[in-house]
Amino acid sequence: GQQVMQIPQYQHVQEGEDFTTYCNSSTTLSNIQWYKQRPGGHPVFLIQLVKSGEVKKQKRLTFQFGEAKKNSSLHITATQTTDVGTYFCAGGDSGSARQLTFGSGTQLTVLP
Amino acid sequence: KAGVTQTPRYLIKTRGQQVTLSCSPISGHRSVSWYQQTPGQGLQFLFEYFSETQRNKGNFPGRFSGRQFSNSRSEMNVSTLELGDSALYLCASSGGLGTYTEAFFGQGTRLTVV
Repeated sequence: GQQVMQIPQYQHVQEGEDFTTYCNSSTTLSNIQWYKQRPGGHPVFLIQLVKSGEVKKQKRLTFQFGEAKKNSSLHITATQTTDVGTYFCAGGDSGSARQLTFGSGTQLTVLP
Repeated sequence: KAGVTQTPRYLIKTRGQQVTLSCSPISGHRSVSWYQQTPGQGLQFLFEYFSETQRNKGNFPGRFSGRQFSNSRSEMNVSTLELGDSALYLCASSGGLGTYTEAFFGQGTRLTVV
């Protein structure tokens, strides 16, 4: 079945430093979504990428979808303490049913 | 617009018992998916319901089952509980067909099996 690997598992950064998390799928994805889960909270949708090579930005966050639609990355510029949480990528398959395969997540800690 | 509501928020059960969790999706959403979240395995897909039909099922034993009602509310049942079933169970609703719409997650039900 489809597998989505995500690295790193943990990342500690000093406030103001940049942060990147990477996802790699074993199969071609129809789309990839990114979610953020704050400690004690639930996953919250950030963005969806659909097209090959797509790049989207949300303020300090930049999301990329690879040309082969098998990998993706999330880059945060100049991290803030509010960025703390676990970031998950989730790959969608091409079937009609809704099934997201989540990566294992990257837990980001921002040190003030 | 009210979000996804899951009840109960916390639950403690003993091994061998069964449990039923409930999820009320966002009004108008017909797709409800269930996920199990554990520190070791991350977020794992259990199953998805759309218009009262199970459309997809993850790799979980038959002890895990679910259903969806005509008002789109969904329930998940776990029978013969095992210690390893301790987890945060999340349900997510979405309004569109297929995977091209975002999933709105509920707060989850934290199940502890002792």
